[in-house]
Amino acid sequence: KNQVEQSPQSLIILEGKNCTLQCNYTVSPFSNLRWYKQDTGRGPVSLTIMTFSENTKSNGRYTATLDADTKQSSLHITASQLSDSASYICVVSGGAGGFKTIFGAGTRLFVKA
Amino acid sequence: ETGVTQTPRHLVMGMTNKKSLKCEQHLGHNAMYWYKQSAKKPLELMFVYNFKEQTENNSVPSRFSPECPNSSHLFLHLHTLQPEDSALYLCASSQGAAGANVLTFGAGSRLTVL
Repeated sequence: KNQVEQSPQSLIILEGKNCTLQCNYTVSPFSNLRWYKQDTGRGPVSLTIMTFSENTKSNGRYTATLDADTKQSSLHITASQLSDSASYICVVSGGAGGFKTIFGAGTRLFVKA
Repeated sequence: ETGVTQTPRHLVMGMTNKKSLKCEQHLGHNAMYWYKQSAKKPLELMFVYNFKEQTENNSVPSRFSPECPNSSHLFLHLHTLQPEDSALYLCASSQGAAGANVLTFGAGSRLTVL
């Protein structure tokens, strides 16, 4: 069964600290993996997208990694800011024909001053 | 503004009401989607339209009725809803309907069914 599991469910950190969010998936065959940021009351916005051959990709203070062998991805946030408070959603596409898009439940991040 | 506009942003309706959600995209995409987002649950795909033709209906109850008059507009008609239908309804678009394409989401319509 195609699944995407994210951990932790929620996380509280102090402003300026780093944090890492995890995503494990069982989608096969694999097409790509995306991380989205969803602010409260808004729709998700794409942060990074990685295909099978890419194992790291950065977008400012956000760095995503992908290990296609272990089917794991992480999103590392450096020097967190209050505006990083949001839900972070891992999305994996794949399956026969690459037409399935499976969403994780998200990690809710709270950055405190 | 992402280029995908949803209205209304908030909607409260009774179980016997009929209402509609509207989505418009200004990105020139040819695929549009409706997703349901409930608290602490993954996004649930409801409908997919590609070049205004419905290509996927993810076993959605008939009280939700989509309409896609052209590639830029998508509606979700609601009638005789249940309280468990209360959720954030997200519209998205992409260039091509294959799962590999990046989705651009609207801000969502927060629906409360009393």
